[in-house]
Amino acid sequence: QKEVEQDPGPLSVPEGAIVSLNCTYSNSAFQYFMWYRQYSRKGPELLMYTYSSGNKEDGRFTAQVDKSSKYISLFIRDSQPSDSATYLCARPKGQNFVFGPGTRLSVLP
Amino acid sequence: EPEVTQTPSHQVTQMGQEVILRCVPISNHLYFYWYRQILGQKVEFLVSFYNNEISEKSEIFDDQFSVERPDGSNFTLKIRSTKLEDSAMYFCASSEGTGNTGELFFGEGSRLTVL
Repeated sequence: QKEVEQDPGPLSVPEGAIVSLNCTYSNSAFQYFMWYRQYSRKGPELLMYTYSSGNKEDGRFTAQVDKSSKYISLFIRDSQPSDSATYLCARPKGQNFVFGPGTRLSVLP
Repeated sequence: EPEVTQTPSHQVTQMGQEVILRCVPISNHLYFYWYRQILGQKVEFLVSFYNNEISEKSEIFDDQFSVERPDGSNFTLKIRSTKLEDSAMYFCASSEGTGNTGELFFGEGSRLTVL
């Protein structure tokens, strides 16, 4: 049973669009989730984390957790070409972290 | 801004050779990790290290892998006898805490190519 699943994409959008990236998870006990951004041939970097249900906003980025449907979303407003990257959702597991396969996003100028 | 540094950035080796990948975690962090990413695939956990010992390891981390913190700053991953399927990007990461209290900081990665 996969723990965190994502549509791998690629997802292409025009500059300025609102982007919605999604993950599903298998266990309703999971409460803490993270979104990482990974540029090509670079290490992942933490964008934001969210705990339990609800929204968390940071600039153009909003993370949302829907526990009833076991769905995690990342919204990017006013997307820029510099947002082109792979977005990974993750959750803690014991002393480490489990990553989804990532969704590749291209924002076209 | 403090960062995790990794060397080498790229290493090419022959199958069966030993490889050591080096990492300098962020200085006040207590937890250290190695992850790997085969080209086009997901980031996979290999091992976590705390208080000078392995705290958790995955099925991938078999007897050919080992980790060491030889001094107060370096954290190394050794692959004893490399196989073709070890070709991947290896990421070192560190964090102050784990789970809900830990944010992972990754290095830029070491690309290993086994011929």
